[in-house]
Amino acid sequence: DGGITQSPKYLFRKEGQNVTLSCEQNLNHDAMYWYRQDPGQGLRLIYYSQIVNDFQKGDIAEGYSVSREKKESFPLTVTSAQKNPTAFYLCASSIGQGVETQYFGPGTRLLVL
Amino acid sequence: SQQGEEDPQALSIQEGENATMNCSYKTSINNLQWYRQNSGRGLVHLILIRSNEREKHSGRLRVTLDTSKKSSSLLITASRAADTASYFCATDKHSGGSNYKLTFGKGTLLTVNP
Repeated sequence: DGGITQSPKYLFRKEGQNVTLSCEQNLNHDAMYWYRQDPGQGLRLIYYSQIVNDFQKGDIAEGYSVSREKKESFPLTVTSAQKNPTAFYLCASSIGQGVETQYFGPGTRLLVL
Repeated sequence: SQQGEEDPQALSIQEGENATMNCSYKTSINNLQWYRQNSGRGLVHLILIRSNEREKHSGRLRVTLDTSKKSSSLLITASRAADTASYFCATDKHSGGSNYKLTFGKGTLLTVNP
């Protein structure tokens, strides 16, 4: 059963706490992406990675960090520096460079306590 | 700023009617894609149209692209209640770099009433 999984489905963060969102894919895709979606808004790119051990900042990277140690995994950490983290977070992957269809996970909703 | 902007923001129709959504963008593109999102879920790719194509069909979907006007439209024919979702256009930026990323619009919320 191929696809992208994200966990947890809901995540609660306390003030000053770092939290990590998981994203795993078994599609053998080289590229992976993290987006943030606010209510009634489109997707904004946080970070993306075209290949293992390499990643680039997107449009709203401040307050977030990522790692890409394995091809199938691209975890996102929401740090305490992100002052407005409440949002729906979507992970996606694609085959690689060039003309790209992106495949999305089911998302993680992050809420602040 | 958003590369793609969908219009209208919301659309409500009756089952069986056609639904048309539009997307405008600002800079040159390689390709334009349309995605669908059911409430609280991830996005699902619907169709991709290349910059040298003018029209593309997939089942009940028809997409047009007018690069001179920097606009695209998505037509869903004979709509069903199950088509109720948000629809997003996504464009890539025409750059010579090796990094590839999409820019999404804010979406059109389509409601199909039974």
